[in-house]
Amino acid sequence: EAGVAQSPRYKIIEKRQSVAFWCNPISGHATLYWYQQILGQGPKLLIQFQNNGVVDDSQLPKDRFSAERLKGVDSTLKIQPAKLEDSAVYLCASSPVKNNAGELFFGEGSRLTVL
Amino acid sequence: AQKITQTQPGMFVQEKEAVTLDCTYDTSDPSYGLFWYKQPSSGEMIFLIYQGSYDQQNATEGRYSLNFQKARKSANLVISASQLGDSAMYFCARGGSARQLTFGSGTQLTVLP
Repeated sequence: EAGVAQSPRYKIIEKRQSVAFWCNPISGHATLYWYQQILGQGPKLLIQFQNNGVVDDSQLPKDRFSAERLKGVDSTLKIQPAKLEDSAVYLCASSPVKNNAGELFFGEGSRLTVL
Repeated sequence: AQKITQTQPGMFVQEKEAVTLDCTYDTSDPSYGLFWYKQPSSGEMIFLIYQGSYDQQNATEGRYSLNFQKARKSANLVISASQLGDSAMYFCARGGSARQLTFGSGTQLTVLP
Protein backbone atom coordinates (compact mmCIF):
# COMPACT_ATOMS: atom_id res chain seq x y z
CA GLU A 1 0.00 0.00 0.00
CA ALA A 2 1.44 3.36 -1.02
CA GLY A 3 1.93 5.89 1.76
CA VAL A 4 1.11 9.59 1.92
CA ALA A 5 2.92 11.42 -0.88
CA GLN A 6 4.06 15.02 -0.58
CA SER A 7 5.90 17.38 -2.89
CA PRO A 8 8.13 19.20 -3.11
CA ARG A 9 10.37 17.86 -0.36
CA TYR A 10 12.31 21.12 -0.13
CA LYS A 11 11.55 24.69 -1.12
CA ILE A 12 13.51 27.90 -0.59
CA ILE A 13 11.80 31.22 -1.29
CA GLU A 14 12.20 34.86 -0.35
CA LYS A 15 9.75 36.59 1.94
CA ARG A 16 6.63 37.92 0.25
CA GLN A 17 6.83 35.21 -2.43
CA SER A 18 4.24 32.47 -2.72
CA VAL A 19 4.57 28.69 -2.42
CA ALA A 20 2.31 25.68 -2.81
CA PHE A 21 2.59 22.18 -1.37
CA TRP A 22 0.80 19.12 -2.65
CA CYS A 23 -0.38 16.03 -0.80
CA ASN A 24 -1.82 12.74 -2.01
CA PRO A 25 -3.22 10.70 0.90
CA ILE A 26 -3.42 6.96 1.26
CA SER A 27 -6.08 5.58 -1.07
CA GLY A 28 -9.47 5.45 0.63
CA HIS A 29 -8.55 7.71 3.53
CA ALA A 30 -11.34 10.23 3.97
CA THR A 31 -9.64 12.51 6.48
CA LEU A 32 -6.66 14.67 5.55
CA TYR A 33 -4.63 16.95 7.79
CA TRP A 34 -1.99 19.62 7.27
CA TYR A 35 0.40 20.20 10.18
CA GLN A 36 3.12 22.82 10.57
CA GLN A 37 6.27 21.77 12.42
CA ILE A 38 8.65 24.57 13.34
CA LEU A 39 12.19 23.45 14.16
CA GLY A 40 12.42 22.14 17.72
CA GLN A 41 8.66 21.97 18.22
CA GLY A 42 5.92 19.40 17.84
CA PRO A 43 3.58 19.48 14.85
CA LYS A 44 0.70 21.96 15.04
CA LEU A 45 -2.56 21.35 13.19
CA LEU A 46 -3.35 23.88 10.49
CA ILE A 47 -6.41 22.34 8.83
CA GLN A 48 -8.44 19.13 8.81
CA PHE A 49 -10.57 17.92 5.88
CA GLN A 50 -13.20 15.22 5.84
CA ASN A 51 -13.60 14.22 2.17
CA ASN A 52 -13.64 17.65 0.44
CA GLY A 53 -15.12 19.58 3.38
CA VAL A 54 -13.23 21.53 6.05
CA VAL A 55 -13.71 20.14 9.57
CA ASP A 56 -11.38 22.51 11.42
CA ASP A 57 -9.30 25.43 10.16
CA SER A 58 -9.27 27.42 13.40
CA GLN A 59 -5.47 27.53 13.54
CA LEU A 60 -4.90 28.37 9.87
CA PRO A 61 -3.61 31.96 9.38
CA LYS A 62 -6.21 32.74 6.77
CA ASP A 63 -4.71 36.08 5.76
CA ARG A 64 -1.86 34.23 4.08
CA PHE A 65 -2.56 30.48 4.14
CA SER A 66 -5.16 28.66 2.08
CA ALA A 67 -5.86 24.99 1.49
CA GLU A 68 -8.20 23.00 -0.67
CA ARG A 69 -9.07 19.40 -1.25
CA LEU A 70 -10.90 19.21 -4.52
CA LYS A 71 -12.72 15.92 -5.23
CA GLY A 72 -11.88 14.70 -1.74
CA VAL A 73 -8.52 13.19 -2.66
CA ASP A 74 -5.42 15.37 -3.27
CA SER A 75 -4.87 18.54 -1.32
CA THR A 76 -2.88 21.72 -1.86
CA LEU A 77 -1.63 24.10 0.83
CA LYS A 78 -0.67 27.59 -0.33
CA ILE A 79 1.17 30.41 1.42
CA GLN A 80 0.96 33.90 -0.07
CA PRO A 81 2.81 36.06 0.84
CA ALA A 82 5.33 34.08 2.87
CA LYS A 83 6.92 35.47 6.03
CA LEU A 84 10.18 34.49 7.70
CA GLU A 85 8.26 32.77 10.50
CA ASP A 86 6.65 30.40 8.00
CA SER A 87 9.94 28.50 7.74
CA ALA A 88 8.95 25.01 8.87
CA VAL A 89 8.20 21.50 7.74
CA TYR A 90 4.66 21.08 6.44
CA LEU A 91 3.40 17.61 7.18
CA CYS A 92 0.41 16.04 5.48
CA ALA A 93 -1.36 13.14 7.18
CA SER A 94 -4.38 11.01 6.41
CA SER A 95 -6.68 8.73 8.33
CA PRO A 96 -9.55 6.42 7.41
CA VAL A 97 -12.96 7.38 8.75
CA LYS A 98 -13.49 4.07 10.52
CA ASN A 99 -10.22 4.16 12.39
CA ASN A 100 -10.58 2.75 15.87
CA ALA A 101 -7.27 4.04 17.12
CA GLY A 102 -7.38 7.43 15.48
CA GLU A 103 -3.89 6.84 14.15
CA LEU A 104 -2.64 9.31 11.55
CA PHE A 105 -0.39 8.27 8.69
CA PHE A 106 2.15 10.94 7.79
CA GLY A 107 4.02 11.85 4.66
CA GLU A 108 7.70 12.74 4.69
CA GLY A 109 6.96 16.46 4.82
CA SER A 110 7.81 19.52 2.76
CA ARG A 111 10.57 21.66 4.24
CA LEU A 112 10.12 25.39 3.58
CA THR A 113 12.86 27.95 4.10
CA VAL A 114 11.88 31.61 3.80
CA LEU A 115 14.81 34.02 3.35
CA ALA B 1 -5.51 25.07 25.50
CA GLN B 2 -5.34 21.41 26.35
CA LYS B 3 -1.63 20.79 26.52
CA ILE B 4 0.66 17.84 26.09
CA THR B 5 3.81 18.22 28.17
CA GLN B 6 7.10 16.46 27.55
CA THR B 7 9.53 17.74 30.16
CA GLN B 8 12.68 16.07 28.81
CA PRO B 9 14.11 17.97 25.81
CA GLY B 10 16.92 15.40 25.53
CA MET B 11 17.70 11.97 26.91
CA PHE B 12 20.71 9.68 26.66
CA VAL B 13 20.64 5.92 27.13
CA GLN B 14 23.24 3.21 26.79
CA GLU B 15 22.65 0.60 24.10
CA LYS B 16 20.67 -2.41 25.43
CA GLU B 17 19.39 -0.45 28.43
CA ALA B 18 15.77 0.59 28.98
CA VAL B 19 14.62 4.22 28.89
CA THR B 20 11.43 6.02 29.92
CA LEU B 21 10.19 9.12 28.10
CA ASP B 22 7.72 11.22 30.08
CA CYS B 23 4.41 12.63 28.90
CA THR B 24 1.58 14.34 30.76
CA TYR B 25 -1.61 15.68 29.23
CA ASP B 26 -4.69 17.78 29.78
CA THR B 27 -8.07 16.85 28.43
CA SER B 28 -11.76 17.45 28.99
CA ASP B 29 -12.83 14.64 26.66
CA PRO B 30 -14.31 11.66 28.54
CA SER B 31 -12.87 9.38 25.86
CA TYR B 32 -9.48 9.95 24.31
CA GLY B 33 -6.40 8.20 23.01
CA LEU B 34 -2.72 8.65 23.62
CA PHE B 35 -0.12 8.06 20.93
CA TRP B 36 3.63 7.99 20.61
CA TYR B 37 5.38 8.78 17.34
CA LYS B 38 9.06 8.52 16.41
CA GLN B 39 10.62 11.09 14.07
CA PRO B 40 14.11 10.17 12.76
CA SER B 41 16.35 12.80 11.22
CA SER B 42 14.81 12.01 7.83
CA GLY B 43 11.62 13.67 9.05
CA GLU B 44 8.84 11.14 8.69
CA MET B 45 6.54 10.51 11.65
CA ILE B 46 6.38 6.83 12.54
CA PHE B 47 3.52 5.55 14.71
CA LEU B 48 4.75 3.46 17.64
CA ILE B 49 1.98 2.74 20.11
CA TYR B 50 -1.56 3.69 21.15
CA GLN B 51 -3.43 3.66 24.47
CA GLY B 52 -7.17 4.21 24.77
CA SER B 53 -8.43 6.00 27.85
CA TYR B 54 -10.74 3.11 28.73
CA ASP B 55 -8.21 0.35 28.08
CA GLN B 56 -7.72 -1.67 31.23
CA GLN B 57 -4.20 -2.80 30.44
CA ASN B 58 -1.14 -0.84 29.41
CA ALA B 59 -0.38 -1.08 25.70
CA THR B 60 2.66 -2.96 24.44
CA GLU B 61 4.17 -3.23 20.94
CA GLY B 62 7.36 -5.23 20.79
CA ARG B 63 10.04 -3.28 22.66
CA TYR B 64 7.65 -0.38 23.30
CA SER B 65 5.27 -0.19 26.22
CA LEU B 66 3.12 2.63 27.49
CA ASN B 67 2.91 3.26 31.24
CA PHE B 68 -0.58 4.77 31.47
CA GLN B 69 -1.61 6.36 34.76
CA LYS B 70 -5.03 7.88 34.13
CA ALA B 71 -5.47 9.60 37.48
CA ARG B 72 -2.13 11.33 37.08
CA LYS B 73 -2.80 12.05 33.39
CA SER B 74 0.50 10.57 32.38
CA ALA B 75 1.39 8.29 29.47
CA ASN B 76 5.10 7.50 29.59
CA LEU B 77 6.80 5.53 26.83
CA VAL B 78 9.17 2.77 27.87
CA ILE B 79 11.67 1.47 25.33
CA SER B 80 13.37 -1.73 26.40
CA ALA B 81 16.72 -3.00 25.12
CA SER B 82 17.58 0.27 23.31
CA GLN B 83 19.19 0.04 19.90
CA LEU B 84 21.30 2.59 18.02
CA GLY B 85 18.45 2.94 15.52
CA ASP B 86 16.19 4.21 18.30
CA SER B 87 18.02 7.55 18.26
CA ALA B 88 15.35 10.03 17.14
CA MET B 89 12.80 12.59 18.31
CA TYR B 90 9.84 11.10 20.14
CA PHE B 91 6.48 12.83 20.31
CA CYS B 92 3.58 12.15 22.61
CA ALA B 93 0.15 13.05 21.22
CA ARG B 94 -3.44 13.03 22.38
CA GLY B 95 -6.45 12.32 20.21
CA GLY B 96 -10.06 12.95 21.08
CA SER B 97 -13.55 13.24 19.70
CA ALA B 98 -12.44 15.64 16.97
CA ARG B 99 -10.17 12.95 15.51
CA GLN B 100 -7.20 15.30 15.63
CA LEU B 101 -3.86 14.80 17.32
CA THR B 102 -2.32 17.40 19.61
CA PHE B 103 1.42 16.92 20.00
CA GLY B 104 3.90 17.65 22.73
CA SER B 105 7.23 19.38 22.10
CA GLY B 106 9.16 16.14 21.84
CA THR B 107 12.14 14.42 23.44
CA GLN B 108 15.40 13.88 21.54
CA LEU B 109 16.67 10.41 22.42
CA THR B 110 20.30 9.50 21.80
CA VAL B 111 21.39 5.89 22.18
CA LEU B 112 25.06 5.55 23.03
CA PRO B 113 27.16 2.56 21.86
